[in-house]
Amino acid sequence: AQSVTQLDSQVPVFEEAPVELRCNYSSSVSVYLFWYVQYPNQGLQLLLKYLSGSTLVKGINGFEAEFNKSQTSFHLRKPSVHISDTAEYFCAAYSSGSARQLTFGSGTQLTVLP
Amino acid sequence: KAGVTQTPRYLIKTRGQQVTLSCSPISGHRSVSWYQQTPGQGLQFLFEYFSETQRNKGNFPGRFSGRQFSNSRSEMNVSTLELGDSALYLCASSPGTSGSGYNEQFFGPGTRLTVL
Repeated sequence: AQSVTQLDSQVPVFEEAPVELRCNYSSSVSVYLFWYVQYPNQGLQLLLKYLSGSTLVKGINGFEAEFNKSQTSFHLRKPSVHISDTAEYFCAAYSSGSARQLTFGSGTQLTVLP
Repeated sequence: KAGVTQTPRYLIKTRGQQVTLSCSPISGHRSVSWYQQTPGQGLQFLFEYFSETQRNKGNFPGRFSGRQFSNSRSEMNVSTLELGDSALYLCASSPGTSGSGYNEQFFGPGTRLTVL
């Protein structure tokens, strides 16, 4: 079965510092990978996705992620964070096949400090 | 295009009652998926409907059910509510295809259900 692990539940970082949110996945079939952001009392917004092709994926708000098949990782990075990036971030995986559903990690709360 | 809408946004019920939540997908989208989000269990897949048929189901008890109408709007119902059903229920719509390929999911703002 598909599983997604987010290694850090909370990540505090100072404004303008770089950040990396870690995500590992397990799958025996082809997998598509995503990062979503959730602001308080809101739904999920797609930050970026990896479907195929280049392993470095650029998303909205200056975020990027790198797909690493050998390490089964899909870490999210931003070179300089802003206060407005404070939110919860979810890594998710979607397996091609009959189990057509998104499997989410447990989430990482990113808190940007002034 | 208007986004995914969910009604109501907030709901308070008592144990033993039942509840119906509604989701209107993006115009033209035929697939609707439902997710439950709780602090303890995180985001969990409930079920997916495509063209009025349940196409996929997560690991939830039979108290959780859903349906989809011909206009692609979807409802989910929870009967005999338990305290543990308190959660944010998210709906996601996608264009949907008959194959197993990926279709991007667009999420609504959710319905916050509190069971007292």
